[in-house]
Amino acid sequence: EVLLVQSGAEVKEPGESLKISCKGSGYRFSTYWIGWVRQMPGKGLEWMGIIYPRDSDTRYSPSFQGQVTISADESINTAYLQWSSLKASDTAMYYCARRLGYCTSTCPPDFDYWGQGTLVTVSS
Amino acid sequence: QSVLTQPPSVSAAPGQKVTISCSGSNSNIGNNYVSWYQQLPGTAPKLLIYDNNKRPSGIPDRFSGSKSGTSATLGITGLQTGDEAYYYCGTWDSSLSDVVFGGGTKLTVL
Repeated sequence: EVLLVQSGAEVKEPGESLKISCKGSGYRFSTYWIGWVRQMPGKGLEWMGIIYPRDSDTRYSPSFQGQVTISADESINTAYLQWSSLKASDTAMYYCARRLGYCTSTCPPDFDYWGQGTLVTVSS
Repeated sequence: QSVLTQPPSVSAAPGQKVTISCSGSNSNIGNNYVSWYQQLPGTAPKLLIYDNNKRPSGIPDRFSGSKSGTSATLGITGLQTGDEAYYYCGTWDSSLSDVVFGGGTKLTVL
């Protein structure tokens, strides 16, 4: 069974750093792209970026480039999303998801398995 | 303001059919594959359709997808109360080099 299990909810203050995780199991982790999707409270889906764990090829949405860092450690089947300095506007649910196929010059959002989500709350 | 335009809400009676539209442009829907997601309250999105009209394993054939020009459509037949959810379309935008989603459509099964 394919599973993506994300780390637990976080409550942080503005300016703090944070790294959340997404651990895959039940499939060959290194050969599937893992994407991150943000959903702000009561809002829609926003694609943040995606990584191929085998070679760490990473693509970012222009909206999130420079704002977050996506990484992966294929030895422990885990992908990460991190912030160096959180803002209140980063308060959201963050999902990781496995992409069906390989990203080429395009990377449509074909995510067949999703994590349960990590709720990040940033408040002073 | 989302790059892809969906109606905010649609409704239909149990057993009936509903369609949800997703309108874009040549840089996104017109030249790239479209996916559709269902998001039940408090849960992660679920892939219903990819590559415009393909269903992942386990998705019933009550759900269908189509694309024409710069618009895509999700169809759901034999509506059930369990289909009440938000539905999102998504695709790649070649001009933005970004994934774009619609704003979401709330389906109510009356």
